[in-house]
Amino acid sequence: RKEVEQDPGPFNVPEGATVAFNCTYSNSASQSFFWYRQDCRKEPKLLMSVYSSGNEDGRFTAQLNRASQYISLLIRDSKLSDSATYLCVDRSSERSGGGADGLTFGKGTHLIIQP
Amino acid sequence: EPEVTQTPSHQVTQMGQEVILRCVPISNHLYFYWYRQILGQKVEFLVSFYNNEISEKSEIFDDQFSVERPDGSNFTLKIRSTKLEDSAMYFCASSVAPREQYFGPGTRLTVT
Repeated sequence: RKEVEQDPGPFNVPEGATVAFNCTYSNSASQSFFWYRQDCRKEPKLLMSVYSSGNEDGRFTAQLNRASQYISLLIRDSKLSDSATYLCVDRSSERSGGGADGLTFGKGTHLIIQP
Repeated sequence: EPEVTQTPSHQVTQMGQEVILRCVPISNHLYFYWYRQILGQKVEFLVSFYNNEISEKSEIFDDQFSVERPDGSNFTLKIRSTKLEDSAMYFCASSVAPREQYFGPGTRLTVT
């Protein structure tokens, strides 16, 4: 069974600080990983894909460690608008030839940026 | 920027009734998905659809559920006989390739 585990938090962080959180995934066959953010009672919004070599998008940096099966997200210079729940997501391609594979979501890490 | 749209935003129905949730995926996307999120819980995959057929489905997607792409733009989820435990937020998503998926705003289904 595919599982993605995250620390639910909340992480209370002052504005301008750097915050990092991790998640672990159970399926070693997982192909693709993502971070989504979800505001209260809203849809998940794609924040960034996670690549094997690590990748950066502005203040956000994602890392993947396949050997340990964990993914991290680092947010630098945090803003009040970064307050949200951050969802760690994997996509396991279990069939050859690809296909429309469903995503497996973690329960999310709740982040609160304080002024 | 193109977006996935969903209607209605909120649907209230009585137990045992049929409901149809509607989605309009992003126009050049080829892969379509339904997810649900029970209040306070994680987002759960229901079903994916590609090339006019179901590609993958989870154990939640039993015989009470069906999906259809009745025309070139709509993608629907039908629940044949709703149960109290079907109360949840239902999200439609689409993708141009089987990678990044973009979610609609959701339909809140309340079964009484």
